[in-house]
Formats: sequence, C-alpha cells, structure tokens
Amino acid sequence: GQNIDQPTEMTATEGAIVQINCTYQTSGFNGLFWYQQHAGEAPTFLSYNVLDGLEEKGRFSSFLSRSKGYSYLLLKELQMKDSASYLCAVMDSNYQLIWGAGTKLIIKP
Amino acid sequence: IAGITQAPTSQILAAGRRMTLRCTQDMRHNAMYWYRQDLGLGLRLIHYSNTAGTTGKGEVPDGYSVSRANTDDFPLTLASAVPSQTSVYFCASTPSGTGEHEQFFGPGTRLTVL
Repeated sequence: GQNIDQPTEMTATEGAIVQINCTYQTSGFNGLFWYQQHAGEAPTFLSYNVLDGLEEKGRFSSFLSRSKGYSYLLLKELQMKDSASYLCAVMDSNYQLIWGAGTKLIIKP
Repeated sequence: IAGITQAPTSQILAAGRRMTLRCTQDMRHNAMYWYRQDLGLGLRLIHYSNTAGTTGKGEVPDGYSVSRANTDDFPLTLASAVPSQTSVYFCASTPSGTGEHEQFFGPGTRLTVL
C-alpha cells in the first residue's frame, strides 16, 4: 500500500530551528511537496522536490533522498506565525497526491 | 473572483438529504480535485478531473459524484448524505494533471451531517 509518515506534533522555540521529517512508500514517484496549513484555513504550497538534494527558499528548506524514501522540511529563525500544520505529499505514478496526516508545529515564545 | 472559491462556507445537513458543494476557479486550470480532510488523517482524494468533460475516481469516491461541464466549475454532489460524510471539503486546481505544478486550494466547506 501507499504510506506517508510524519510526526503528529512538534514543539519549538521562537528564533530556533526545527526539522520536520517525512518518510514515504508509494507506487511510483513524481515529486514530493510540502504545504503549510494554518488552523481553519486551506493548505498553501511551500516547496517541491523531485531530485535528491536540498532546495532552499528563504527561511524554509526542503531535502529529498529518493533512495531512502525520505524528506525533511527545515524551518529557520522560527516566528510565532510559523505555528501551523505542515503537510507532506508525494505525487505517485498516476500523478495523484498521496498526503501525510500532517505535523502540527507549536512555537513557544 | 481571484483563485478558487467554494460555497457554502459551512453547512449543517440532515442525513438523507442531497447536497451540492460548489467550486469555481478563474485561473483557467485544466485539472481540478475534491478532497476531504478529517482529523488525524491526511487529505483524501474523492474525485478529480484532468480536463473539462472528463472525471475520475479518487481514493474515497463512494457516496459522491462530480461533473465538469466547463473549465471553471467542478461541483461535488452528495446524493444522500450520511454522518460519516461530516468533514471539511477542499477543492483544488492545477494547470495540468500530469505535471509537477503545485495545487491551489479553495477556502474549504465545513459540512456536518446529522
């Protein structure tokens, strides 16, 4: 079957760095997405990885290892507004997105 | 309209009633999707459409139907609502159903079936 695993909840301190991991097993691979979702709102796109390596975009970076079925999202210089759920999703061989349950990130002052 | 709109924002529905959730996008995207989001679970695909005039079944299609008469609109119908269909429903679109493009989401419809 297809499976995306990520931690249910993480807590971090304002100004610090946090890494949210995602492991996946899917039928085929056409890229991995990270989305941010604030409570009561729609998901919004953060990053896309299709090749191995690190993609950096401001305070956010995303890493992919296809051989290990593993990705992480790295958030630097955490701000209170980063409190949200972070969703990992893999595009399978049918170009459908398979979604993880999301990681709720709590930022403390 | 800018992006994707959904209506209604929320709805309480008696079991057995018929309900249509509306979704409209103005980005001329070819591909559109309906997801449901339940606590503790990832977004689950209900139905999708890669282009106007075509639709396909996702992971959890039972009890739902869709149509895609034109590029902009993608309504989702619950023929006879049941309490297990209580959920938050998101509509999404992307330029192409076979590319690496991000999906853009509507604001969601919170549906409660009693």
